[in-house]
Amino acid sequence: GDSVTQMEGPVTLSEEAFLTINCTYTATGYPSLFWYVQYPGEGLQLLLKATKADDKGSNKGFEATYRKETTSFHLEKGSVQVSDSAVYFCALRDQAGTALIFGKGTTLSVSS
Amino acid sequence: EAQVTQNPRYLITVTGKKLTVTCSQNMNHEYMSWYRQDPGLGLRQIYYSMNVEVTDKGDVPEGYKVSRKEKRNFPLILESPSPNQTSLYFCASSLSTGSYEQYFGPGTRLTVT
Repeated sequence: GDSVTQMEGPVTLSEEAFLTINCTYTATGYPSLFWYVQYPGEGLQLLLKATKADDKGSNKGFEATYRKETTSFHLEKGSVQVSDSAVYFCALRDQAGTALIFGKGTTLSVSS
Repeated sequence: EAQVTQNPRYLITVTGKKLTVTCSQNMNHEYMSWYRQDPGLGLRQIYYSMNVEVTDKGDVPEGYKVSRKEKRNFPLILESPSPNQTSLYFCASSLSTGSYEQYFGPGTRLTVT
């Protein structure tokens, strides 16, 4: 079945460092891909998405490019802030569109 | 404000005592879903509904029931809760299936002793 694999955390960075969180997927067809963010004590919020190959999703300085050839959707940010500390989930929406399949989440901790 | 609400936010209960977690959305969304979040496992889908009176099982439906009598509400029912259902539960909704964004509620932390 469909699945998402993302890098294990926690990831600990200093403010203004470069961030990469790796995400790869296995799916039939061409799923839509998402990054969600969960701040402490809150629900999940959509960070960005891409719906077809070579699409780049971007929001709040974060970017991710849908790479069909490597089945990847890595999350990047050029300069992280303390306020970016959260858990990040990579997800795909299956071909039927009835479920979001999530990775296990990566905890990011940014210190000043 | 467009939102998904869940109640209660926190619940501690005992094995076997039936409970219901409510979920409501004010965005006229057709699609609604329940997930549970467990450490090291991410989020897994319990049940989903594509419209009123249309529900289907997700990946981990055992021990749960749902109903969709109105478009805005999608309650999660635990008829006989067990300790392995201790988890953080999220309700989500979206306009439809496909690539539409899913909006998540704030979560319900359930502890079954």
